[in-house]
Order: sequence, then structure tokens, then C-alpha cells
Amino acid sequence: GAGVSQSPRYKVAKRGQDVALRCDPISGHVSLFWYQQALGQGPEFLTYFQNEAQLDKSGLPSDRFFAERPEGSVSTLKIQRTQQEDSAVYLCASSLRREGDYNEQFFGPGTRLTVL
Amino acid sequence: AQSVTQLDSHVSVSEGTPVLLRCNYSSSYSPSLFWYVQHPNKGLQLLLKYTSAATLVKGINGFEAEFKKSETSFHLTKPSAHMSDAAEYFCVVGGATGGFKTIFGAGTRLFVKA
Repeated sequence: GAGVSQSPRYKVAKRGQDVALRCDPISGHVSLFWYQQALGQGPEFLTYFQNEAQLDKSGLPSDRFFAERPEGSVSTLKIQRTQQEDSAVYLCASSLRREGDYNEQFFGPGTRLTVL
Repeated sequence: AQSVTQLDSHVSVSEGTPVLLRCNYSSSYSPSLFWYVQHPNKGLQLLLKYTSAATLVKGINGFEAEFKKSETSFHLTKPSAHMSDAAEYFCVVGGATGGFKTIFGAGTRLFVKA
């Protein structure tokens, strides 16, 4: 079956440009997570959606980062006025998220963003 | 607040010998704990997860982990390493009763020598 897909897989941006990263979760998955993984480090939580509701955005590093999931399926992470420190792999994950369950997150392959 | 510490950034073993990757956690709640593996140029894959049903958790590819509340540990083990086990391993805490934020450890790179 289809897993989590992300596009583009690679993105090169000039400093100051805006970028949009797309995530297609597994069909029917309620929860969606975005992470930022810098080189040689573990993924860091950015934000969480339950259906279309963004319930936690505490990990977004600045107001240049914005995420949305308007219809509760596809999600877009937007970074405005990119900076070199934004260079990282951006991971998306989805899960079923039932109450009281310990849900596995299914990860996409990531988008590698390089800001020049 | 929740946190997770992986005690070794790199572990090197010979093929056929046991593997031990150490993880300590901190959580104000009853924790959800996971181990994920990341092979080069591949996505993160779940190895195993802790539910409150059993303290010894068995996962895929012969890996297992033991939840020890008194030691706040969730170490990953495998009796006999295989070359294909060489990868980055992440201990993860969060989700469920701890809220939505998922915290990854810094990772342990496992090297397997022939």
C-alpha cells in the first residue's frame, strides 16, 4: 500500500526565497507531524495536526515557518524568507492516533532543503 | 516535560556479537516509548514500541527492549548483530498521555564489523 510521500525530495533555495514542502499522509490517518532533522542530529518536532486542526505548533522555530492541513489530509509546510540555518531534512509522519493507544508514526522519505 | 538521552553516539560491534544501545528517558506522565531505525537514504522505520502491557518488548529483526521504570531506561538489545543492522537508531518518547509532542534522542550510530 501507499506510504507517506513528500515532495519535492530535494529543494535548493537562495537565501530570502519562500519555499513550500508538501506531505501526503497515509489515507485515513488522523494525525500528521512535521519534523526538522539537521545533519547528524535526531529529528526535532515542529508541529502536529489532528485532522485539519493544528493542535501543537510549539516546535516551529520562528514566525517564518507556517504549516497547514486545510482538508485534513495533505499538509504543506511553508518557510518564508529562508535562511541558511533552515537547511535540513524536513520529515513528515502520519499515524492513526486512537485514544489511549500508542500509535506508530509512519515517516515519509523527507525533503532535503539546502539554502544557499 | 519529557526528554530522552541516548548515552552513546556511536557503538561498534562485530558481526555475531550482542548489541546494546542505551536510552534513558524523563517523563512526567506514563511514557510512550519507541525505537526507530534509519538506514542511509531510507525513511525512519519503527523497530518496537512500549505499551503498558509488558515491560519486555519484542520488535522486528530480532531486536527487543526492556522498560525499567526504576532506572528510567529503555535499552535496545539484540543477541547477535548482522551486517544489515548497521544504521542510526533513535529512542523516542512522547505521544498518548504525554501530549502530542514527540521527542527524539540524538541517535546512536551502530557499526557492524565483519
